[in-house]
Amino acid sequence: SQTIHQWPATLVQPVGSPLSLECTVEGTSNPNLYWYRQAAGRGLQLLFYSVGIGQISSEVPQNLSASRPQDRQFILSSKKLLLSDSGFYLCAWGRGEQFFGPGTRLTVL
Amino acid sequence: GEDVEQSLFLSVREGDSSVINCTYTDSSSTYLYWYKQEPGAGLQLLTYIFSNMDMKQDQRLTVLLNKKDKHLSLRIADTQTGDSAIYFCAEPNQAGTALIFGKGTTLSVSS
Repeated sequence: SQTIHQWPATLVQPVGSPLSLECTVEGTSNPNLYWYRQAAGRGLQLLFYSVGIGQISSEVPQNLSASRPQDRQFILSSKKLLLSDSGFYLCAWGRGEQFFGPGTRLTVL
Repeated sequence: GEDVEQSLFLSVREGDSSVINCTYTDSSSTYLYWYKQEPGAGLQLLTYIFSNMDMKQDQRLTVLLNKKDKHLSLRIADTQTGDSAIYFCAEPNQAGTALIFGKGTTLSVSS
């Protein structure tokens, strides 16, 4: 069966510090991978998606970036965090229906 | 543009039925989805319906689809306190590369 992992589960970072969130998927090959952010208003904002290694599509221009160095690994990064980057970050995989990881709660102070 | 809309809150008593409504924009969507999010957790795929169906039932869950009005609903029979969560409706984007989610309906179940 397929499983999806995210870490860390929670993170508190100062403004201006770098960020690296990791997502890995097990039990499937060549999945589409997604990064979402869920802010206090609860809606889901699609940040990035990837259909293959090294292929990243950005949905929202901002100070975040994503990389897919391996088939089942998706990384969300920032060089300098802003207060507005606080939120709940969700990774998902799928080709149609999507399956979500447990999320990372990021607080930028 | 592509958009999915839901009411934000629903409050019911334990044992009653809950009906969560959603409207979507893309009439060519092949599948429509319902997700559940419990506090502090990721989204869990609850059920989905293929666009050539009007209704799908899965235990306490019933999904109704009105393609003419682009209206989707999720009915939860005999609602329990464990059903308290945020429920999201979603449809594929036109490119078929991602899902478009509504803002979510917070279901509150009181005993």
